[in-house]
Amino acid sequence: KQEVTQIPAALSVPEGENLVLNCSFTDSAIYNLQWFRQDPGKGLTSLLLIQSSQREQTSGRLNASLDKSSGRSTLYIAASQPGDSATYLCAVRPPDYKLSFGAGTTVTVRA
Amino acid sequence: EAQVTQNPRYLITVTGKKLTVTCSQNMNHEYMSWYRQDPGLGLRQIYYSMNVEVTDKGDVPEGYKVSRKEKRNFPLILESPSPNQTSLYFCASRTDQSSYEQYFGPGTRLTVT
Repeated sequence: KQEVTQIPAALSVPEGENLVLNCSFTDSAIYNLQWFRQDPGKGLTSLLLIQSSQREQTSGRLNASLDKSSGRSTLYIAASQPGDSATYLCAVRPPDYKLSFGAGTTVTVRA
Repeated sequence: EAQVTQNPRYLITVTGKKLTVTCSQNMNHEYMSWYRQDPGLGLRQIYYSMNVEVTDKGDVPEGYKVSRKEKRNFPLILESPSPNQTSLYFCASRTDQSSYEQYFGPGTRLTVT
């Protein structure tokens, strides 16, 4: 059974600092990995999706890398802003299409 | 606007009182699913549906029922809620089982006393 772990569970940084969020998974047989953002009282918003054949994906200040063989993904957020404060979740999709989620990293960016 | 809606958003109830959480999507998606989110555990899938009248159990189906009579609606039913079902519930939909983009509803926070 796929296990997805996100460490740390919470992170607090001053505005302007780069954020590094980690996601690890136990079974490397995945189709893709997604990073989501969750705001209080709202659903999940998809940020980036990396196919299993890709090494990284970029969108604006966000960059996600994937090392399938070692079971790791990293989400980088450059020059953090208070508006980046949220919980970030990673999810992997194995061949049976069922998403397996990590517990998330709650980020606070201090102004 | 493409969206998934859930009602109610917040619910406090007592043990054993049947309740239904509704979910509706306006994107003509075939695939819909329900998740629960608990601290430290991430999202876990309760039930999913690949199309009308086709439903199947996810990872934590005990104590829940679903139905899919229409493509747009996928209600979650708790016949006899218990305190361990206190959680944050999300409905989600996507075009079909294999599609990548998944849309989530805003969540329903349920408290069972």
